[in-house]
Amino acid sequence: GNSVTQMEGPVTLSEEAFLTINCTYTATGYPSLFWYVQYPGEGLQLLLKATKADDKGSNKGFEATYRKETTSFHLEKGSVQVSDSAVYFCALSALDTGRRALTFGSGTRLQVQP
Amino acid sequence: NAGVTQTPKFRILKIGQSMTLQCAQDMNHNYMYWYRQDPGMGLKLIYYSVGAGITDKGEVPNGYNVSRSTTEDFPLRLELAAPSQTSVYFCASRGRRVRDTEAFFGQGTRLTVV
Repeated sequence: GNSVTQMEGPVTLSEEAFLTINCTYTATGYPSLFWYVQYPGEGLQLLLKATKADDKGSNKGFEATYRKETTSFHLEKGSVQVSDSAVYFCALSALDTGRRALTFGSGTRLQVQP
Repeated sequence: NAGVTQTPKFRILKIGQSMTLQCAQDMNHNYMYWYRQDPGMGLKLIYYSVGAGITDKGEVPNGYNVSRSTTEDFPLRLELAAPSQTSVYFCASRGRRVRDTEAFFGQGTRLTVV
């Protein structure tokens, strides 16, 4: 079956530090990959996505590259801000299942200190 | 732009009570989903629907029921609430085209069973 594994948190960084959150996946077929962000008290928002191998998704300074050879989709940002404090979820969606539902990792909490 | 609307935002239930979590979307999406999010865990799929009149079980369906009489609405019914159903519930939807890879989420319903 499909699964997503992401690094445990919390990750605590100082403002302007470099961020990496690791994500690896197992899937049949060719999934689409996503990073969702959840700010305190809110629902999930799509941060970025990639739909095929070697695609790079980017948004708000965050980037992730779809690496089929390593089955990875690591999230990076060059300089984090306090406002980036949130929980980040890596997820996949596989077309080969009729439900086309998202399979999520367990989430990584990021805390950015001033 | 309402997107996906969930009600209520918060609810406390006593053990054995029943309730319905409401979800409505105004994007004419075929696919709709119910997830639950437990502390420190990713989201688990409860039920999903690929269109009006069609529903199916996800990973954790026990203790829940759904219906999909219209494209817009996808209510989740809890019968005989148990403490194990204390969680945050998210409804999501997506379009039916292959390129509709993004799922849109509601703000969530925080349910406590005491």
